[in-house]
Amino acid sequence: EILLTQSPATLSLSPGDRATLSCRASQSVNNYLAWYQQKPGQAPRLLIYDTSNRATGIPDRFSGSGSGTDFTLTISSLEPEDFAVYYCLKRGDWPPLFTFGPGTKVEIK
Amino acid sequence: QVELEQSGAEVKPPGSSLKVSCKASGGTFNTYGMAWVRQVPGQGLEWMGQIIPLFGTTNYAQKFQGSVTITADKSTSTVYMEVSRLRSEHTAVYYCARSRYIDMYQLQSSFDSWGQGTLVTVSS
Repeated sequence: EILLTQSPATLSLSPGDRATLSCRASQSVNNYLAWYQQKPGQAPRLLIYDTSNRATGIPDRFSGSGSGTDFTLTISSLEPEDFAVYYCLKRGDWPPLFTFGPGTKVEIK
Repeated sequence: QVELEQSGAEVKPPGSSLKVSCKASGGTFNTYGMAWVRQVPGQGLEWMGQIIPLFGTTNYAQKFQGSVTITADKSTSTVYMEVSRLRSEHTAVYYCARSRYIDMYQLQSSFDSWGQGTLVTVSS
């Protein structure tokens, strides 16, 4: 079973800062990796799919990259509405099951 | 615009069973699969399992295999998630989430629409 770890657990930054969030898989995975944003009391929102594709309506300050075991979500310049918890999600090849990472909280410094 | 409308919050006694519904409107129900995701209060997201209604095929996370059953009613565009033998650890928010299917077993790699969540409290 492939496990996902996310680092850091908490990221304390100011509006305008660049945020770099990491998602690491326990073994090499395909590019079926997505990123979600979740705010308190809300359902998760899809930001990035298949490693680097922005979902519909997602601002271009959000970008995804990576391959193999290491994937990154970058927020180029934090807006006040970006402070939230971010999760990565992987789909396996076979069986095609899904796994979420434990999340990174981006908080206001 | 696809919307996923989930059933309302529930309080259930330990040992009972639970059935949460997720009704899809807009879009074409038969081109999608539906997953269920659990979130225990204050914790992260857990993928529980999925169904591809057109084929009736299901996959479950090992942790939930045998204790969770996911079904679909194509006539009403509704997917259900049933949990038996509830315990306090089942207290959580349960979300349904949609993805297009690739074939009878596989969904695409992300969920682009989510229900609003259903809070389930297991308490005597």
